Amino acid sequence: GQNIDQPTEMTATEGAIVQINCTYQTSGFNGLFWYQQHAGEAPTFLSYNVLDGLEEKGRFSSFLSRSKGYSYLLLKELQMKDSASYLCAVVSGGSYIPTFGRGTSLIVHP
Amino acid sequence: EPEVTQTPSHQVTQMGQEVILRCVPISNHLYFYWYRQILGQKVEFLVSFYNNEISEKSEIFDDQFSVERPDGSNFTLKIRSTKLEDSAMYFCASGMDTVNQPQHFGDGTRLSIL
Repeated sequence: GQNIDQPTEMTATEGAIVQINCTYQTSGFNGLFWYQQHAGEAPTFLSYNVLDGLEEKGRFSSFLSRSKGYSYLLLKELQMKDSASYLCAVVSGGSYIPTFGRGTSLIVHP
Repeated sequence: EPEVTQTPSHQVTQMGQEVILRCVPISNHLYFYWYRQILGQKVEFLVSFYNNEISEKSEIFDDQFSVERPDGSNFTLKIRSTKLEDSAMYFCASGMDTVNQPQHFGDGTRLSIL
């Protein structure tokens, strides 16, 4: 099985930078996704990492260390609309189905 | 931008009744999925579908569940005899490929079992 850990909740200030961590224990790692989910809405794709290092996409970046079983999502220049749940999802083993973590609820305040 | 559409947005059903949730995946996608999310909990995989057959399913997807692609556009999830614990948000998703490609989620159907 897989074990995916994320903080339950984080708060940050508008305009600031926040880092959301995800650790996982799995065998046969095949990739890691980050999704954003606003309350009552569908998850939307943010990033995908399969190799070690940093992937940058506008205000959002995602980092992966396979040897440490660790990823983070970095959000810069926070906006109020970034208040949402951020889901870490890992693909591993012989399956191509992502297993989702419980998500981190980010609250951005003025 | 093409999107996955789901109907209805909210379904209220009596326990023991059958319910069918409908999805129209993105037209050029080949892989289709159903997930559920119980309120306040994580997104859980139910089933994946490719080439007109189930390619993978979870322990949740027992004999009460079935999926069908009745025509070239619709993808449905049927729950034969609903239970209270089936109350959840059900998301349909589709993708171009498997690994390396993100899944695109619909807005979900909120299923409430009374």
